[in-house]
Amino acid sequence: AQSVAQPEDQVNVAEGNPLTVKCTYSVSGNPYLFWYVQYPNRGLQFLLKYITGDNLVKGSYGFEAEFNKSQTSFHLKKPSALVSDSALYFCAVRVVSGGYQKVTFGTGTKLQVIP
Amino acid sequence: EPEVTQTPSHQVTQMGQEVILRCVPISNHLYFYWYRQILGQKVEFLVSFYNNEISEKSEIFDDQFSVERPDGSNFTLKIRSTKLEDSAMYFCASSAGRVGEKLFFGSGTQLSVL
Repeated sequence: AQSVAQPEDQVNVAEGNPLTVKCTYSVSGNPYLFWYVQYPNRGLQFLLKYITGDNLVKGSYGFEAEFNKSQTSFHLKKPSALVSDSALYFCAVRVVSGGYQKVTFGTGTKLQVIP
Repeated sequence: EPEVTQTPSHQVTQMGQEVILRCVPISNHLYFYWYRQILGQKVEFLVSFYNNEISEKSEIFDDQFSVERPDGSNFTLKIRSTKLEDSAMYFCASSAGRVGEKLFFGSGTQLSVL
């Protein structure tokens, strides 16, 4: 089955330190990968996507993600974490079925940035 | 930035009752989706809708669920006879295109079935 996996339920990082939120994928063909963020009591907000091209993708709020085809990973990174980055982060993959797409989300990783 | 609007923000209903969740997608978008999230956990795909018909649906989207775009602006999700396990946050989303387009999500409707 085509899917994404987020192995960590929660990641804790000190403010100012670099952060990484992990994601691995399993799809047939070329993957379209996304990261979304969810703040409390809000809908999901798009952060960034990888479709083709440079393996390092830059997105909103200083986040970036690195596509690694050999490791089938798409980890989210930020050089210096802010307390305001604390939220729920979802990796997602476009799955093609019957000629139509649907976006399938991972289970989410709660990021806690400690002041 | 344009927004997807969902109403109501909270809906409480009795088991067995029908509920309709409403969404106004972004005006020039063509693809519409419903997702649900239980207790702040995994976001689950329910259904996608394009050109006035369902294009994809999950195993969750059984005969109790239906979607409609009644007037060219609203996009609704109906649950005919709610069950306790339907309690969740329901998110509407829309996108301009199909391939590789980002989804714009509404703020959700929290459905509580008692």
